Amino acid sequence: AQSVTQLDSHVSVSEGTPVLLRCNYSSSYSPSLFWYVQHPNKGLQLLLKYTSAATLVKGINGFEAEFKKSETSFHLTKPSAHMSDAAEYFCVVSDLNTNAGKSTFGDGTTLTVKP
Amino acid sequence: DVKVTQSSRYLVKRTGEKVFLECVQDMDHENMFWYRQDPGLGLRLIYFSYDVKMKEKGDIPEGYSVSREKKERFSLILESASTNQTSMYLCASSPGTGGAFFGQGTRLTVV
Repeated sequence: AQSVTQLDSHVSVSEGTPVLLRCNYSSSYSPSLFWYVQHPNKGLQLLLKYTSAATLVKGINGFEAEFKKSETSFHLTKPSAHMSDAAEYFCVVSDLNTNAGKSTFGDGTTLTVKP
Repeated sequence: DVKVTQSSRYLVKRTGEKVFLECVQDMDHENMFWYRQDPGLGLRLIYFSYDVKMKEKGDIPEGYSVSREKKERFSLILESASTNQTSMYLCASSPGTGGAFFGQGTRLTVV
């Protein structure tokens, strides 16, 4: 079984300050982990993914995430927030070896960026 | 550019109607998925398919069926729409090596 917990339902930062969105996971196998972003009334866009290569993963729009097996975490960070980063973010765990890579989604974190 | 296209952005249907939601991907992916997204409940998997004519139930299949006659097309069917099926529906496809590509979503309202 696999599960994912996003530790904060809402995060608010000021423009230009760092962003940290926290995610913990559990998986019976070596997991693949993803972060998606969803802007209002839009579909989900893949930000970055970890699939057992480098533990520090760089994604689009300046985001990155670090896979820490000992802490079962995959936190998303960005050094400097931009107004356009305001959106909902989903952490996802997927076992590529079973069930056609069926994904389990976290409940989402809403990021607000204040001017 | 990869693309997953859902046939409608917004749809309004009456209770008891049969509803078809269509999804097409142009990436030759084996795996396709249907999710619904509701406030406070996140994304929940309805059905998925890992090959043509193959389907598997997800977490909330009741009241839904699917069809995958061609690799690029995955249809979600509401046999008799009910008001509790009012939701945002998201289709996704995946190559199986990780990461899914999502369509823009269909916001379905059942009145």
